[in-house]
This record gives sequence, structure tokens and C-alpha cells, in this order.
Amino acid sequence: DAGVIQSPRHEVTEMGQEVTLRCKPISGHNSLFWYRQTMMRGLELLIYFNNNVPIDDSGMPEDRFSAKMPNASFSTLKIQPSEPRDSAVYFCASSLGIGEKLFFGSGTQLSVL
Amino acid sequence: GESVGLHLPTLSVQEGDNSIINCAYSNSASDYFIWYKQESGKGPQFIIDIRSNMDKRQGQRVTVLLNKTVKHLSLQIAATQPGDSAVYFCAEYIKGGKLIFGQGTELSVKP
Repeated sequence: DAGVIQSPRHEVTEMGQEVTLRCKPISGHNSLFWYRQTMMRGLELLIYFNNNVPIDDSGMPEDRFSAKMPNASFSTLKIQPSEPRDSAVYFCASSLGIGEKLFFGSGTQLSVL
Repeated sequence: GESVGLHLPTLSVQEGDNSIINCAYSNSASDYFIWYKQESGKGPQFIIDIRSNMDKRQGQRVTVLLNKTVKHLSLQIAATQPGDSAVYFCAEYIKGGKLIFGQGTELSVKP
């Protein structure tokens, strides 16, 4: 069974560049979540979708961050322009529905120089 | 407030001993709690969950206890093995369907 698939695994970019992180949820899962993990702040929920519709984006830190889910099998998290303080591991997770257990991808390690 | 916290950031145990990882939550309305294990370089992995209508649930070598009176959650790992070394997170579902994670406890198993 394929789990949640994220790409790329590692991304190194320069400040000011656009960064796009990608996620393919588990087939049949209706909810998708984006988290950010840092040593200082732990795992933070950025945004989540249900049936491809954004439900809560209150965790998105700034307008530089945006997320889309054009269909049930794909989501993107975009940072434009990126800044060094955006460096973190970004995780995508999916679940059967809201209030169900989440299954996480392997994450994208983002470094903004 | 809406927060999930852990009492200890690190825990070191001897191989074969039992481990107990504790977690305090503050949202009395939460009704679903999950423990995750995260190994280095990987995403969090589901271990066990419990709903508020239960006070204990057992899995393979793991047990979760829920004390709603004092808003406390614990994860017990029996006969801890080197492969159990990881960071353990408790997570709490709050209103609106958000799963909020605690800070994590790093478990180190000494051979």
C-alpha cells in the first residue's frame, strides 16, 4: 500500500525564490493536512482540507504561504517569496475524514539560504 | 487554552524495562487522543489512539491510559526495545477538526 507521498524530499533554495511542495494523499482519504516542524515550535498545523475544500488556514503564517488542492489526489504548498525563517520540515498527512487518525508522509526538508 | 504538553522532554530506559511517557492536555472538550512515534528523518507514525469514553486501551506492547479528571494521558511501552528509541508525541483533536500535537518526548533505550 502506498502511503502519503511527498516531493521533493529535500529542497535547498535561496531567499526570495518560490518554493512548491507537493503531496499525494492515500487513495480514498478525504482529508489532507499540512504541518510544519521545527525544533522551536514543534509540529504546527498550517492548513487542512476536506473533500478538496480548505477548512481552516488559520495556521498559515503569512500571505507568502498558500496551499491548493485541485483534486482528491494532489495538493501543493507554495511559499513565495521564501525566507530563511521558513526553513523547516514540512509534512503532509491524510485521513479518511475529519476527526480520524492521520497518516503522515516522509516530509520535505526545506532549507532557505 | 488549547494546548497539549508533555511533562518530560527526554526519557532514558534500560532495554527490557517498561517505559511510561506522560502528556497533559488542557481542552476538556477534546474527545479523541492519539499517540505518534517519530523516528529520525521520518514522519510521525500512528501507534495507538483512545476516545474519551474509554480510560484504557491496549495494543501490542503499548497501553494508553486516559484520566479525564486531571486531563492526563500516558503511553506505556512494555519490555522496551532499542527499536522503540524515537520521539513520542501525544495529539489531541480540538474543535473544528484540528489535530494538535504536544512538544514530544525523546525516548532513549540503553542496551
